[in-house]
Amino acid sequence: GAGVSQSPSNKVTEKGKDVELRCDPISGHTALYWYRQSLGQGLEFLIYFQGNSAPDKSGLPSDRFSAERTGGSVSTLTIQRTQQEDSAVYLCASSLSRGSSYNEQFFGPGTRLTVL
Amino acid sequence: KQEVTQIPAALSVPEGENLVLNCSFTDSAIYNLQWFRQDPGKGLTSLLLIQSSQREQTSGRLNASLDKSSGRSTLYIAASQPGDSATYLCAVRVSNSGYALNFGKGTSLLVTP
Repeated sequence: GAGVSQSPSNKVTEKGKDVELRCDPISGHTALYWYRQSLGQGLEFLIYFQGNSAPDKSGLPSDRFSAERTGGSVSTLTIQRTQQEDSAVYLCASSLSRGSSYNEQFFGPGTRLTVL
Repeated sequence: KQEVTQIPAALSVPEGENLVLNCSFTDSAIYNLQWFRQDPGKGLTSLLLIQSSQREQTSGRLNASLDKSSGRSTLYIAASQPGDSATYLCAVRVSNSGYALNFGKGTSLLVTP
């Protein structure tokens, strides 16, 4: 079966523009996560979805960042009025269930965002 | 806040050597610990998942151990190969911060032929 997919793989944008990043989780995975990997910063958690709701948004760095998930499947991360410090690789992961401590997160290839 | 530290930051070994990567975490109340590898410009590949109740997991040449009480995990790679060259990341899921993984900054491994 297919793994987690993300699009686009690369995105170059100008400062101040809005961008949308897409994640398709593994079929049947109810939990979905967004992370950000910045140079020298390591991986940072952004937001977690269970189904279409987001019980944990604690990692979103500012109100310019938002995310939604529809149909319990595809998720979109939107960054408004992009800044140069938003440049990073945005990674999406999915897992089977939130109810168990046994869930293993599977990651997509990421979207590399460059803000000029 | 859970802090995850990986030592060493970088490691270079000749092919065939056995090696150990270290991961430590500050809060022992974890649900599980996951080891990943990341190849340059790629996403993360899950290697091993250890539940909080387990002490080790094995997959092929890889063995990961967990000592929750001391806040440590090790990833043992036997008979290293050039194809093992990658960055290895340790991540813990903690019980008091939802479902997010807290990552270390990784160990960059180079296995030379």
